[in-house]
Amino acid sequence: AQSVTQLDSQVPVFEEAPVELRCNYSSSVSVYLFWYVQYPNQGLQLLLKYLSGSTLVESINGFEAEFNKSQTSFHLRKPSVHISDTAEYFCAVSVSGGSNYKLTFGKGTLLTVNP
Amino acid sequence: KAGVTQTPRYLIKTRGQQVTLSCSPISGHRSVSWYQQTPGQGLQFLFEYFSETQRNKGNFPGRFSGRQFSNSRSEMNVSTLELGDSALYLCASSFDSEGNTIYFGEGSWLTVV
Repeated sequence: AQSVTQLDSQVPVFEEAPVELRCNYSSSVSVYLFWYVQYPNQGLQLLLKYLSGSTLVESINGFEAEFNKSQTSFHLRKPSVHISDTAEYFCAVSVSGGSNYKLTFGKGTLLTVNP
Repeated sequence: KAGVTQTPRYLIKTRGQQVTLSCSPISGHRSVSWYQQTPGQGLQFLFEYFSETQRNKGNFPGRFSGRQFSNSRSEMNVSTLELGDSALYLCASSFDSEGNTIYFGEGSWLTVV
């Protein structure tokens, strides 16, 4: 079985500051890794994913995450956050080598960007 | 292209009743899965359907069931509702191939009173 731990349940930051949301996973098999974002009263939107290849993946809105196999981590970073980045962020894994229709999620990190 | 559509968005039911939630996947997507989101337990996988067959099921009691139709639309049903079933129920769809993105709907908010 897989498990995901998001180390911080809440992260408050000021606008234009850098932020890192931490994610560690546990699995006995190879996994794919994802970050999803959830804005208030909305569903989940995929932010970025790691399937294979380069361990650094980027999203179109300035977020990036780095897969570290030895530390079983997939931390999400952004060098300068905006008020609009305020949302809940979920790290998730699925087993690789098949259809990734079953995601195992972390408990989420609420990012609050203050002016 | 239209996203994953879930109906109803909000509903209130009484303990002991049953509820049916509906999901229309993105056109062309044949895999549909359901998740329950609660403040205490977070996001938990309920089940996944492909070509009208349930391929995988999470750790939920038999009161939770689902089905998929030939047009890939899906429904989930919860019978004998309990207060603890109050949650956001999210439907997701994807192409059935390795590494494909799973797209989520906006969810159905169920309150059991």
